[in-house]
Amino acid sequence: RKEVEQDPGPFNVPEGATVAFNCTYSNSASQSFFWYRQDCRKEPKLLMSVYSSGNEDGRFTAQLNRASQYISLLIRDSKLSDSATYLCVVSRYLTGGFKTIFGAGTRLFVKA
Amino acid sequence: NAGVTQTPKFQVLKTGQSMTLQCAQDMNHEYMSWYRQDPGMGLRLIHYSVGEGTTAKGEVPDGYNVSRLKKQNFLLGLESAAPSQTSVYFCASSYDPAGQSTDTQYFGPGTRLTVL
Repeated sequence: RKEVEQDPGPFNVPEGATVAFNCTYSNSASQSFFWYRQDCRKEPKLLMSVYSSGNEDGRFTAQLNRASQYISLLIRDSKLSDSATYLCVVSRYLTGGFKTIFGAGTRLFVKA
Repeated sequence: NAGVTQTPKFQVLKTGQSMTLQCAQDMNHEYMSWYRQDPGMGLRLIHYSVGEGTTAKGEVPDGYNVSRLKKQNFLLGLESAAPSQTSVYFCASSYDPAGQSTDTQYFGPGTRLTVL
């Protein structure tokens, strides 16, 4: 089983739709959580960090449920420019270092 | 301010050849890392460095070596390339290792490597 698992894609939605991505992680010692966005053939870029209290940035809302080891990303009023792959990222400290695990990503296509 | 830069952008090698991928950052970040990205696998950490002169193994270090002689540069070496190393390689840097804070990792544009 992968340490970070995401919804299989792709998601095909019309403009204006609301779409939700889910992510689960297996290690309860995980400490930091992020959503990254990756456009086709480009590098990943941070979309938002995820906090236990939940956080919102414009049309994007991220939630963390530590008890269920579950992270979500909600995109409201989807735009064509939201088409990308969304990566769930989980990180924790190890003795002498740390470990960051990327999910395989969920592909989103927003169509006109 | 260029952020994170990588060279080369593309490379084709024959099995057994060696090469070095270069990464540079101008943000005075302590932490740098190398990842590889393969279809359906997500990014996997190869090696990382928490400061000048220090390196550590990540999740998939076999077949790779790294050096961090200067704070701004992190080099990834392939001593004897194999077809299994065909991948897209990303370098990343951050002020602090993720986990200490909600710190952003900044990625370079990637190097597409094909080993024949």
